[in-house]
Amino acid sequence: DTEVTQTPKHLVMGMTNKKSLKCEQHMGHRAMYWYKQKAKKPPELMFVYSYEKLSINESVPSRFSPECPNSSLLNLHLHALQPEDSALYLCASSQGGARGEKLFFGSGTQLSVL
Amino acid sequence: DAKTTQPPSMDCAEGRAANLPCNHSTISGNEYVYWYRQIHSQGPQYIIHGLKNNETNEMASLIITEDRKSSTLILPHATLRDTAVYYCIVSDLSTGANNLFFGTGTRLTVIP
Repeated sequence: DTEVTQTPKHLVMGMTNKKSLKCEQHMGHRAMYWYKQKAKKPPELMFVYSYEKLSINESVPSRFSPECPNSSLLNLHLHALQPEDSALYLCASSQGGARGEKLFFGSGTQLSVL
Repeated sequence: DAKTTQPPSMDCAEGRAANLPCNHSTISGNEYVYWYRQIHSQGPQYIIHGLKNNETNEMASLIITEDRKSSTLILPHATLRDTAVYYCIVSDLSTGANNLFFGTGTRLTVIP
C-alpha cells in the first residue's frame, strides 16, 4: 500500500463553519505534511509533523489547526476561514528520518470558502 | 524558499525525448535534487531524485552536473500522458524532516 488517502475530495464551507480535512497513510511513515496550493501556483508548505510532533509551522494563521492523533493519521481543522483560503490542500508523508527519502502525496482536498 | 530556476514552459513532440533543465546554483553538499510532476488538480507524483551521481529509473533519467549547480530530467520517449507541470526541488534537511519547497516549475506540453 503506497497510498496517501485524503478525505473529503471536495469541501464547500461558509466563513463561520468548522470543518476538518483528514489524511491517512498505512506505509509506516513517521513524517506527515500539509501543503496548500492556489490555482496555477506551486504547493506551499504549511506544517510538518515528525514522529507525531509538530516540527514545522510555516507561519500559518491560527484558523488552520493541525493535529496528528497517531502515526497514520493527520488532520487539519478549519475554523473561521476566509474566501482567500480557497485552495487545494495536499497531504504528504515520508519515512521520516533518512536523508534522501521521498514524499508521497495524496490527491488533495479542493476547498471552497464562501 | 525555492532554490531552483526552471523555464516556465516547454513543448515536446510525442515519442521524442523531453529534456527539462533546472538551475540550482546555491545547492549545498547535503541537499538532494528531486523531481516531481503534477498533472492537473492531482497531487504531485515523485519521479526521481539524486545527490551527485546520475540516476535512472523506469520513468526517467536524472543528469546532475559535476559541480551540482544544474541538472536535467530526461523523459526518453514522451507520451501525451506526460503533459504536466514538472518541479525541480532541492531538499532542506536541516530541520530533521525531509521538507520540499516547490519552485514555479516547468509546464511541459507533449504535442501529438
